[in-house]
Amino acid sequence: GAVVSQHPSRVICKSGTSVKIECRSLDFQATTMFWYRQFPKQSLMLMATSNEGSKATYEQGVEKDKFLINHASLTLSTLTVTSAHPEDSSFYICSAAPGTGYNEQFFGPGTRLTVL
Amino acid sequence: LAKTTQPISMDSYEGQEVNITCSHNNIATNDYITWYQQFPSQGPRFIIQGYKTKVTNEVASLFIPADRKSSTLSLPRVSLSDTAVYYCLVGDRMIYNQGGKLIFGQGTELSVKP
Repeated sequence: GAVVSQHPSRVICKSGTSVKIECRSLDFQATTMFWYRQFPKQSLMLMATSNEGSKATYEQGVEKDKFLINHASLTLSTLTVTSAHPEDSSFYICSAAPGTGYNEQFFGPGTRLTVL
Repeated sequence: LAKTTQPISMDSYEGQEVNITCSHNNIATNDYITWYQQFPSQGPRFIIQGYKTKVTNEVASLFIPADRKSSTLSLPRVSLSDTAVYYCLVGDRMIYNQGGKLIFGQGTELSVKP
């Protein structure tokens, strides 16, 4: 099956710093990737759609200047949390669809961000 | 995407069959029903997908009545390792194989006890 990886798996940072999270499709190309955020005991909330070669599309209520998304290649999307604060602490998950031959989206293992 | 409604939580014991029902009254003609499983601190994992009647794979069965307004995920003989959150999603198949937005509902937290 298709594999999506994320790096790092967990990160702890100080308030005010920026953190970059990588999402890679290991054995397929993805023109579109998605970023989700999940707080404890809650469901996944879609943050944005990452489009290769173009600007990301953000869901209502998500600050595009705070959550910078770059989709520089067909296998890599990055999410940068700028000037992180404790309320940004969450579990961040990405997903991608391999396309023809598959009927599912594949999710990365997630990144646990803790802002002190 | 059609809105889905699931029980918030369910309890079961090892060895029992577990059935989780999802309501999706506004399902569209082209919509497929997909179930994902999520363990704590992991990304969701695809379990099963179906359009009508019954679908079975090595992990679960999916029962869909003729009106398709609901579906039931059946997990046979659960074990402790099946403790997870199960999400029911409804959407056009293109969302999955061409990369469209997935909107997750609250899911069902299944707790399997010894």
